[in-house]
This record gives sequence, structure tokens and C-alpha cells, in this order.
Amino acid sequence: DTGVSQDPRHKITKRGQNVTFRCDPISEHNRLYWYRQTLGQGPEFLTYFQNEAQLEKSRLLSDRFSAERPKGSFSTLEIQRTEQGDSAMYLCASSKGLGGNTGELFFGEGSRLTVL
Amino acid sequence: EDQVTQSPEALRLQEGESSSLNCSYTVSGLRGLFWYRQDPGKGPEFLFTLYSAGEEKEKERLKATLTKKESFLHITAPKPEDSATYLCAVQAGNNAGNMLTFGGGTRLMVKP
Repeated sequence: DTGVSQDPRHKITKRGQNVTFRCDPISEHNRLYWYRQTLGQGPEFLTYFQNEAQLEKSRLLSDRFSAERPKGSFSTLEIQRTEQGDSAMYLCASSKGLGGNTGELFFGEGSRLTVL
Repeated sequence: EDQVTQSPEALRLQEGESSSLNCSYTVSGLRGLFWYRQDPGKGPEFLFTLYSAGEEKEKERLKATLTKKESFLHITAPKPEDSATYLCAVQAGNNAGNMLTFGGGTRLMVKP
């Protein structure tokens, strides 16, 4: 399978706990994105990496959220001290960088978080 | 600020009943407009990219068109398997990272 892979697919946690999601992008893609989607809404941009550099973060990304892409390959998104409002689908996407980039993002299946 | 509005929010069709979904947008210099399909509990699946007004793309029963202010996704003779949420997104020309701004989606239900 050469698509974007996310793990875990589902996570149920209690309020106040920390959670971490992992994303493995398409191997030749050097751009990686995190989005959040709540029920009935479109995805909202959270943050973006080019290789290992985190180049942009949304205002939606509070200081409880941190994302890393240590070697420019897989990425992790950690949410500390989870709140019920964090319940959502967390989507990872990847795309090619400059040179061959036609703009489209390729999404994984998502990691659904439920905070009790 | 880039904005995307999709209508209707939900659409019920009988199998074979053609219709169109609308995506209105405002963006600082459009680099591309994207259509995605999303099935329940899954990530969005890429369908089309449109780059300039007047452009059209087709795939099976779907046809996407673009003007300077909006895009349409035309569905011809839909089948139940076309039931999904269809998402429209824009990419601004001043957006070095190619981030997408999405609309809220149109939930399509096709009944046999």
C-alpha cells in the first residue's frame, strides 16, 4: 500500500490525558499536513511541514498541540491535557514539493479521537 | 481570508436523477480548486483539480466546471454508490505551502 497511513484509527481517552497520532506519508512526498474535521464540517488546516521543518501553524493549534516530523518522513501529532472539544477526526495529508507539484493533497483515513 | 461555501448542505436524489452541487469561493489569487469525495469514517479522496475559469474535468458520472466565482460538480444519472460527501477546496496563489481551505461539504444521498 503506497497511500498515506495513520495510526491509530480510533482513540478513546479520558479528559486530561495525552494522546499521540502517527502519520506515514507517501514516500516520495516531502510535504505533510495535519487537518482536523468535526462532524458535518469540512477539514480545517492545523499545521504543515516541508521535510522536517514546520513552516506554518493555524491559530486553531493551541499550545496543547504539538507536531513533529523528526527525519522528514513520518510525523506525530500530540495533544496534551485533552478536552472534550478536541473530539474530532484528525487527518494527515501529503503532497510533492516544488517540481512536479500539481497541488493536490492525498489524505489518509484519519484518526478519530473521542474524549470522554 | 479565503472562504469556500458549498450548497446545498444535503441533497437527496433518486437513482438516475441528474443534479449539480455548487461551490462558491473568494480567494486571493486562485492557484487551484479541488474536489474531493469523502465516505463516512474515511479520509477525503481526490477527484479533480481545476486551475482556470472555463476549465472542465470529467470522471465517469462526474463533471466539474469552474468560473471566476464558483465551481459546479455535475452528477449525471447517479447511482447509489455515488452517495458520499463532496468537498470543495481552494488553494491560494500566495500560499507557498499549498494548504487547502475547504467548504463544509454537500452530503449526497442517492436512493435506488
